[in-house]
Amino acid sequence: EVQLVESGGGLVQPGGSLRLSCAASGFTIGSYWMHWVRQAPGKGLVWLSRINSDVTRTNYTDSVKGRFTISRDNAKNTVYLQMNSLRAEDTAVYYCVRAALDGGSYFGYWGQGTLVTVSS
Amino acid sequence: DIQMTQSPSTLSASVGDRVTITCRASQSIGSWLAWYQQKPGKAPNLLIYKASSLETGVPSRFSGSGSGTEFALTISSLQPDDFATYYCQQYDYGATFGQGTKLEMK
Repeated sequence: EVQLVESGGGLVQPGGSLRLSCAASGFTIGSYWMHWVRQAPGKGLVWLSRINSDVTRTNYTDSVKGRFTISRDNAKNTVYLQMNSLRAEDTAVYYCVRAALDGGSYFGYWGQGTLVTVSS
Repeated sequence: DIQMTQSPSTLSASVGDRVTITCRASQSIGSWLAWYQQKPGKAPNLLIYKASSLETGVPSRFSGSGSGTEFALTISSLQPDDFATYYCQQYDYGATFGQGTKLEMK
């Protein structure tokens, strides 16, 4: 069974940092692009970032470019999102998602999400 | 960036109704469009990909159509479990979600 389990969320002050982890099981992440998507309380879904299978390509949405870094450890079957210079508007549930096997950026598998709250 | 606009934002309907949600892209995206269903407190669930391909395990009352800039998700006969929020998402260039359509009980 495919599972994605996020961890690392919590309360952080503005300007602070957090690193989210996404542990995958039931499949090998080395064959897939992996992405992060977030959802602010009561709001819609926002795509944040993606990383390809051999870690040669990463992409980010403009609002997090230069502040967030996606990475992966295929040996640990884990994806990460390093978040720096956090702002109140980064408060959201963060989902780790798996792209399709053909590389298409649509998401058949989602983690349960981890809540990040940025507040003083 | 490609913008995705869904309509309506809220839709009131009854069990057994046929409902359609539309999604418009700011530029042509071919058929690179997906639809998701999300219930409160849960992660989204993929319903449709490549505009009209039904994800495995999704009931056949869900269908998708369209190409280019105009797309639609149709539920042929609403069931009680279908009341939720629905999102479209383009994946032609990066990934962008629509703002969501809340399907509520009339």
